[in-house]
Amino acid sequence: NAGVTQTPKFQVLKTGQSMTLQCAQDMNHNSMYWYRQDPGMGLRLIYYSASEGTTDKGEVPNGYNVSRLNKREFSLRLESAAPSQTSVYFCASSGGLAGDNEQFFGPGTRLTVL
Amino acid sequence: QKEVEQNSGPLSVPEGAIASLNCTYSDRGSQSFFWYRQYSGKSPELIMFIYSNGDKEDGRFTAQLNKASQYVSLLIRDSQPSDSATYLCAVKGPRYSTLTFGKGTMLLVSP
Repeated sequence: NAGVTQTPKFQVLKTGQSMTLQCAQDMNHNSMYWYRQDPGMGLRLIYYSASEGTTDKGEVPNGYNVSRLNKREFSLRLESAAPSQTSVYFCASSGGLAGDNEQFFGPGTRLTVL
Repeated sequence: QKEVEQNSGPLSVPEGAIASLNCTYSDRGSQSFFWYRQYSGKSPELIMFIYSNGDKEDGRFTAQLNKASQYVSLLIRDSQPSDSATYLCAVKGPRYSTLTFGKGTMLLVSP
């Protein structure tokens, strides 16, 4: 099992460009999450999806949109990238035998917006 | 607004010592508490979670929870250089399925 996979691993954008970060999990988890991690700020939740077909805002949703394409995939879209969105983005999932007690994280996408 | 506070460190301990990492939280309704370890440039991984007052032990790790004082701690016995990482405290409340993370404490274990 690959666990949680994310693409791309690295990306450089110019201000105003758009892009979609992809996330997929093969653990049959119901819940999926998008976080951003900035130096000195810890992990902050952007959006989450408790089940296929539902999405909810987290702590810092402005400037982002998400799509829960199916049970496996949860994508994060930046419509018009800004330098403030330079960050490391982590996708996570939970909901297997351990319930929602353990979130499994992907390897992250390091995004730079110039 | 739920808040989770951690000392950013770095906390420096010699190899073989006990490392003590602390975390306080603001929401009295919080019910589950998690410790994640994150190596530099890597993703967080769960070490252990606790939801009852008292101690929970797993190998060299012990989580301690005091709901009355709203703090949770992680003790690492016989610290090893491989324990050098950032430790993230996370809290889950009764009404939310999501976690609120602290900013993390960097631990450095010197040989």
